Amino acid sequence: QVQLQESGPGLVKPSETLSLTCAVSGYSISSGYYWGWIRQPPGKGLEWIGSIYHSGSTYYNPSLKSRVTISVDTSKNQFSLKLSSVTAGDTAMYYCARQFRVEANPGRCDYWGQGTLVTVSS
Amino acid sequence: EIVLTQSPGTLSLSPGERATLSCRASQSVSSNYLAWYQQKPGQAPRLVIYGASSRATGIPDRFSGSGSGTDFTLTISRLEPEDFAVYYCQQYGSSPLTFGGGTKVEIK
Repeated sequence: QVQLQESGPGLVKPSETLSLTCAVSGYSISSGYYWGWIRQPPGKGLEWIGSIYHSGSTYYNPSLKSRVTISVDTSKNQFSLKLSSVTAGDTAMYYCARQFRVEANPGRCDYWGQGTLVTVSS
Repeated sequence: EIVLTQSPGTLSLSPGERATLSCRASQSVSSNYLAWYQQKPGQAPRLVIYGASSRATGIPDRFSGSGSGTDFTLTISRLEPEDFAVYYCQQYGSSPLTFGGGTKVEIK
């Protein structure tokens, strides 16, 4: 059974960097699939942040690209998100997910973590 | 960027009734790479439909998806109590991946 678990600080100060990690169990990241981050502000809809393949190739949402870095650590079977220069607008539930590879690009998400709420506030 | 518009915003129905949810894209979705997710309060989204019409693993056959190009539909033939939730469509045919704003299916 594939499981994903997000971890990281629940509170980040404005202008600082948000850092989250997603630990994967039940499946080896090196075996394939894309691994992505999606966020959801309180009471609002879903926004794709970006995805990474086990080889390290990345796709980012252009709206966040200048502030986002996604990396993978296959030895620990986990991947990470860094979002710099955060503001209150980055307050959201952050989900990690496994994504099918569709024509070499990230596709639908079949397994999700439970999510972690990150609040940006001083 | 492909913008997905879902309608209606809220659907008030009784158990046993049929639910029809719409997702309209601002441009054609490549290869009908359109998915639907179900999200209940306090939970992560759950994949329901992919490729516009294929049911995900474990999804009951009362859920069906249809459509192509720019117009897609999720139909729940007979609502069960556990089906009341928010449903999101997502396109993954072009980057950036985008989601619709969601349709809430609530108990009437």
